[in-house]
Amino acid sequence: AQKITQTQPGMFVQEKEAVTLDCTYDTSDPSYGLFWYKQPSSGEMIFLIYQGSYDQQNATEGRYSLNFQKARKSANLVISASQLGDSAMYFCAMSPQNTGGFKTIFGAGTRLFVKA
Amino acid sequence: DTAVSQTPKYLVTQMGNDKSIKCEQNLGHDTMYWYKQDSKKFLKIMFSYNNKELIINETVPNRFSPKSPDKAHLNLHINSLELGDSAVYFCASSPPSGVGEKLFFGSGTQLSVL
Repeated sequence: AQKITQTQPGMFVQEKEAVTLDCTYDTSDPSYGLFWYKQPSSGEMIFLIYQGSYDQQNATEGRYSLNFQKARKSANLVISASQLGDSAMYFCAMSPQNTGGFKTIFGAGTRLFVKA
Repeated sequence: DTAVSQTPKYLVTQMGNDKSIKCEQNLGHDTMYWYKQDSKKFLKIMFSYNNKELIINETVPNRFSPKSPDKAHLNLHINSLELGDSAVYFCASSPPSGVGEKLFFGSGTQLSVL
């Protein structure tokens, strides 16, 4: 069975500093995708970054990078140079590839607070 | 233009009523979904609809029924609403399998059952 674990219910970071949000996963699928989504207080879900399980390099999207350690089954999100607008809930998600999004599962989320 | 739009954004209703939430996507995706986010922010899939194929999460009560008039629309009908149905409901769509299956979400509908 698939499982996503986010062990940090809440995190604080000082503005302009980097922060790492943890995500570990468990799956028996040989090929899968890992995602991070952001949910600000306004409620919408925003896609941030994607990592395929066979990608050799860690994914990066602007200030976001995904620290993918396949052997450890971890897919941590790193936000560099935090901004006040980064304060939000962050969800890690996983989906077996080529199965359609129906099998996407989400972690419980981490609430990030950026301090001025 | 909004990629995935759902209406209404807020829905307040009495127990026992029947209500619908509408969802439309203009991304040309074949697959659409309904997710439920509970008060603890936990997201769980309810339905997936790929063209004419409906995939149902078996834990969803049959009071919930998706209806898709075409591949750009997936509406959610809820009969005999209960207090426990209060949640945020998200519509989403995704591109074809094999390209990362990134989900494009609507802005959510906050349903409050009184």
